[in-house]
Amino acid sequence: NAGVTQTPKFQVLKTGQSMTLQCAQDMNHNSMYWYRQDPGMGLRLIYYSASEGTTDKGEVPNGYNVSRLNKREFSLRLESAAPSQTSVYFCASNLGTAFTEYFGPGTRLTVT
Amino acid sequence: AQSVTQLGSHVSVSEGALVLLRCNYSSSVPPYLFWYVQYPNQGLQLLLKYTSAATLVKGINGFEAEFKKSETSFHLTKPSAHMSDAAEYFCAVSSEGSSNTGKLIFGQGTTLQVKP
Repeated sequence: NAGVTQTPKFQVLKTGQSMTLQCAQDMNHNSMYWYRQDPGMGLRLIYYSASEGTTDKGEVPNGYNVSRLNKREFSLRLESAAPSQTSVYFCASNLGTAFTEYFGPGTRLTVT
Repeated sequence: AQSVTQLGSHVSVSEGALVLLRCNYSSSVPPYLFWYVQYPNQGLQLLLKYTSAATLVKGINGFEAEFKKSETSFHLTKPSAHMSDAAEYFCAVSSEGSSNTGKLIFGQGTTLQVKP
């Protein structure tokens, strides 16, 4: 049981490049989330998916898109990266009834 | 709208001393409250959660927190700090009160330093 996994762990992009962050969970959770963490700001929700086939915007969705590929996988795409998107990105999942979110190890993204 | 304020971005205690990390929340509906811990270069791990049952909540690693509605607070405590407690701690509130969409609003975090 690996929990929540994220790839890659580290990434450096140039302004304007695109990339997709991958997330998968093996706990049969219904809900999945993408957060970004910036110093002094805690974690802020980018997008979430309450169940397979649905996605909704969070607090800071601009510049991102998501895909809930199936129940296990939830990807985050940056179409045209900007320096303001330099951050640590965390994926999380939740059964949907237990209020406990399980977090992945994070992806550290730098946009130059 | 709901919000969380953690008082003090850095807290330093001596090993064996009391740990007190402060969290105040704002919510128009009964909140669900959480404390998470983040060790360097790792993801977040749930310490404890309040979901409208007992107001004193016990978590892992000897931590506990008390929900005080009158003070809109959910402070985290541990009687005796250990070196391994050094980490960043986040308080969070469920963004839709008692409805479980799982969305969380986080405080800005408090870094706990434990001195030998």
